[in-house]
Amino acid sequence: EPEVTQTPSHQVTQMGQEVILRCVPISNHLYFYWYRQILGQKVEFLVSFYNNEISEKSEIFDDQFSVERPDGSNFTLKIRSTKLEDSAMYFCASSEDNPSTDTQYFGPGTRLTVL
Amino acid sequence: GEDVEQSLFLSVREGDSSVINCTYTDSSSTYLYWYKQEPGAGLQLLTYIFSNMDMKQDQRLTVLLNKKDKHLSLRIADTQTGDSAIYFCAEPLKSWGKLQFGAGTQVVVTP
Repeated sequence: EPEVTQTPSHQVTQMGQEVILRCVPISNHLYFYWYRQILGQKVEFLVSFYNNEISEKSEIFDDQFSVERPDGSNFTLKIRSTKLEDSAMYFCASSEDNPSTDTQYFGPGTRLTVL
Repeated sequence: GEDVEQSLFLSVREGDSSVINCTYTDSSSTYLYWYKQEPGAGLQLLTYIFSNMDMKQDQRLTVLLNKKDKHLSLRIADTQTGDSAIYFCAEPLKSWGKLQFGAGTQVVVTP
């Protein structure tokens, strides 16, 4: 069964460093998303992406964050200058059709630890 | 309210039924979802229900939807130790597929 994959599974970085989290969505999916979950808290929406541009972003997704689909398979989340409060589990998701009616499938997540 | 609400904790004995409740916010949501998160793992889609349905059964899982009260529940029959996890209900908001999650219900299955 096709699945969303994410790498790395765990990333440790120093405050102020740039990180890139990588995702490979399901191959025929057209809509891509990033969510995050701070330890013990809710899963929060960050950004949605369709047709090579951001469809919507949350208040969390400030200028330090960017997303890119550099080729036909990868979808990346970049954090330019990490802060301690960026430590969280980051989930990538994808869906096939209209995002308000179609199911989002999540990857296993990347645990980001900022020291 | 503006949040998806869930009770935070449920303890159940192995073999009993579990019922996890959720109150959602948007009566126009087309689908409502249940995701399962095992310790240290990602979000696994468990089941979903289309908003024009009252009930959906999928093996040991039964989803009930009360649109009038915006109430969603997940029943797990014959709960097993492998069902120990956090269960999230989620609804898509009107905008571009943004899923709003509840805080999650931690289900602990005891022998």
